[in-house]
Amino acid sequence: EILLTQSPGTLSLSPGERATLSCRASQSVSSHSLAWYQQKPGQAPRLLIYGAFSRATGIPDTFSGSGSGTDFTLTISRLEPEDSAVYYCQQYGSSPQWTFGQGTKVEIK
Amino acid sequence: QIQLQESGPGLVKPSETLSLICTVSRGSVTSYYWSWIRQPPGKGLEWIGCLYNSGSTNYNPSLESRVTISVDTSKNQFSLRLNSVTAADTAVYYCAGAAYYYYYAMDVWGQGTTVTVSS
Repeated sequence: EILLTQSPGTLSLSPGERATLSCRASQSVSSHSLAWYQQKPGQAPRLLIYGAFSRATGIPDTFSGSGSGTDFTLTISRLEPEDSAVYYCQQYGSSPQWTFGQGTKVEIK
Repeated sequence: QIQLQESGPGLVKPSETLSLICTVSRGSVTSYYWSWIRQPPGKGLEWIGCLYNSGSTNYNPSLESRVTISVDTSKNQFSLRLNSVTAADTAVYYCAGAAYYYYYAMDVWGQGTTVTVSS
């Protein structure tokens, strides 16, 4: 079973700053299998990034994904107040099965 | 754009069975890999299990002994049954869909339904 560990637990930044969120897998995974989601309070998660790098439909280019092997990163280049949310990474396995990281909370000062 | 809607009882008694339905609209229940995911209050997301290829299933090993996911293609619905529930099963339950063109990331989600386990 692959475990996903996200860091930091909470990120507190000002509008306009850059946010860097980390997701580390317990073993090497295909870049195709790594996704990122945004969840705001009271809402369902929303797909941001799939295949480690590709933005989902309607996602602004301030969101970008990178990484390979066991280390993946979600970057928000210029934070806006509406980016305040919890961000989850997710890995898809071929059984099929899915695993989520524990989440990173992004707070806007 | 496919839309999903969860439905079912919001309150279930301990030791009983939780039953939820996800209705698929503006698309076919045969076209995606469909999953159930839950989120306990204040906690993260947990994948429960999935339905794929119009009837095959796979479950989270931690829940496998208590979970059944099935499909009703005539109603364009799929369902979740979780047996022998306890307070630890209290959560928001989401249905979601994943397609091959998103490398099976979940691009479609229901709004979620809250299920409380309490006597």
